[in-house]
Amino acid sequence: NAGVMQNPRHLVRRRGQEARLRCSPMKGHSHVYWYRQLPEEGLKFMVYLQKENIIDESGMPKERFSAEFPKEGPSILRIQQVVRGDSAAYFCASSPTTENTGELFFGEGSRLTVL
Amino acid sequence: KQEVTQIPAALSVPEGENLVLNCSFTDSAIYNLQWFRQDPGKGLTSLLLIQSSQREQTSGRLNASLDKSSGRSTLYIAASQPGDSATYLCAVNTIQAAGNKLTFGGGTRVLVKP
Repeated sequence: NAGVMQNPRHLVRRRGQEARLRCSPMKGHSHVYWYRQLPEEGLKFMVYLQKENIIDESGMPKERFSAEFPKEGPSILRIQQVVRGDSAAYFCASSPTTENTGELFFGEGSRLTVL
Repeated sequence: KQEVTQIPAALSVPEGENLVLNCSFTDSAIYNLQWFRQDPGKGLTSLLLIQSSQREQTSGRLNASLDKSSGRSTLYIAASQPGDSATYLCAVNTIQAAGNKLTFGGGTRVLVKP
């Protein structure tokens, strides 16, 4: 049973380009969470999605960032017109249900570097 | 709004010494608390999950306690080894939060010297 799969693991973009990060949850998991970790900091919540629905996007910057989790395929975190401050590790986590007593399972992360 | 604090931010000990890592949270209405380990440039490895009804959890040399009323958890690592060197993160699942959304502390960076 494969874990949470994220790709790419490393991504380099120039200022102004777009970054797309993908996350395939664990098999049987229909809930996905995205977190951002800036250098030397803890993880900050960005967005929580279920299939075809955004449940909580309270941690998502209002501009340039968007996320989706379509009926088929991986969840995608999209950053438009990247800036140097977007350089960070982006982690995806999944859980099987909406019940609050469960664990989150994390992927290895996607590390974005903006030149 | 839930806030999670980990003290100390960094810790250096000689091999064999016991490690004590502290985590505090401001909103005691939680479902559970999780301790993670993160190696440099890597993802998160879940170490222990403590439900709000539990006082502690143990796994091998690791023991985590939870005092929900005072908003504190402590991770104990017995007889530390150089391989324990990593950053340890505490995260809480707050009742007011949606789903299994976690709030993380800033982490404690541990160095175990041989």
